Amino acid sequence: DQQVKQNSPSLSVQEGRISILNCDYTNSMFDYFLWYKKYPAEGPTFLISISSIKDKNEDGRFTVFLNKSAKHLSLHIVPSQPGDSAVYFCAASDPGGGADGLTFGKGTHLIIQP
Amino acid sequence: KAGVTQTPRYLIKTRGQQVTLSCSPISGHRSVSWYQQTPGQGLQFLFEYFSETQRNKGNFPGRFSGRQFSNSRSEMNVSTLELGDSALYLCASRDPNSPLHFGNGTRLTVT
Repeated sequence: DQQVKQNSPSLSVQEGRISILNCDYTNSMFDYFLWYKKYPAEGPTFLISISSIKDKNEDGRFTVFLNKSAKHLSLHIVPSQPGDSAVYFCAASDPGGGADGLTFGKGTHLIIQP
Repeated sequence: KAGVTQTPRYLIKTRGQQVTLSCSPISGHRSVSWYQQTPGQGLQFLFEYFSETQRNKGNFPGRFSGRQFSNSRSEMNVSTLELGDSALYLCASRDPNSPLHFGNGTRLTVT
């Protein structure tokens, strides 16, 4: 039973355009959401997070949107750059700091085309 | 500050053997977590240690165990290795109320 789903295994976007990565979750107890970026042969790197009391959080080129009623979040990258090519993981935790650790999606491979 | 350090980077073991992986957290971080990454299952939580005590555990068999030392360094052990244990094992550390910082992982191959 996958509680965090990233339904697009891969996404190709032209350099300079907007990249939109999507994530759905089923557990209504999740109250904190994170995005991580992973290059090959490296560990995931934290990008941005959002608490369930907010619906948007912005950090430079990265914005995360949360729609609690739809149990959906998305990561927007504007403008997309070649260095953004990586696997992006959506993760969620429940109240109490995640007693079961973070629950991750299976990732979306973002490819930025020149 | 140095990041999370995991050793070794690569390991090849035979079925039935056991293996120990090591993790040094970011200086000052007392919480250390372990995750398993496989192509089919993505990243799955193994366990978390805080101040030498296991605080949380994921849904893995008892062959997977860990410990944390007084200097916050952590080790993970897998006994009686199976082919399905082949994976990237990631260690992460954090401060309270901060996101996880991951190491580059140990790639374990079981033959």
